[in-house]
Amino acid sequence: AQSVTQLDSQVPVFEEAPVELRCNYSSSVSVYLFWYVQYPNQGLQLLLKYLSGSTLVESINGFEAEFNKSQTSFHLRKPSVHISDTAEYFCAIRGGSQGNLIFGKGTKLSVKP
Amino acid sequence: GAVVSQHPSWVICKSGTSVKIECRSLDFQATTMFWYRQFPKQSLMLMATSNEGSKATYEQGVEKDKFLINHASLTLSTLTVTSAHPEDSSFYICSARQGLAASYEQYFGPGTRLTVT
Repeated sequence: AQSVTQLDSQVPVFEEAPVELRCNYSSSVSVYLFWYVQYPNQGLQLLLKYLSGSTLVESINGFEAEFNKSQTSFHLRKPSVHISDTAEYFCAIRGGSQGNLIFGKGTKLSVKP
Repeated sequence: GAVVSQHPSWVICKSGTSVKIECRSLDFQATTMFWYRQFPKQSLMLMATSNEGSKATYEQGVEKDKFLINHASLTLSTLTVTSAHPEDSSFYICSARQGLAASYEQYFGPGTRLTVT
């Protein structure tokens, strides 16, 4: 069975500080990993994904995540956060019998001025 | 990019009534659609998967007679919550995928907040 663990439910940081949101996964098959962002009362938006190839993937708004097979991790990082990055972030793995996404419990990132 | 819409965005209904939520893929044909439920401060839980023209596949613990899913066309899936109760209040999110294969990307709708009074 596949699963995703997000170790931190809340991460408060100050603006312009670096941040890392942790994600660990469990899977016995090839993994496809995703990070989604959810703003209040909105659906999910894909932030970045790892399917194959380079283990370091980047988003257009400065986030990056590195697939680490030995540590079964896919942590999300940003060197300098903005107030507008305040949102909930979900790590997900593609699995299930129909290739559906399995989500972690989410990490709420709060960026303070 | 691919856009998925949901209607309504929020709905309030009385206990015992039924509510229908629509999920549409606006600029692509969705062979597969997924319905998720999200409780406050919790993650998304998959309720069911529907392939166009077929019966939906429900996850364990989800009552198929209570949550009726219809995927009658390649651009529309509906979730009907029958005889709604306050415990059905939740945020329902659909996603759509262009093909049957898991390699296709899922695109998410903006969600529907259901409140049952």
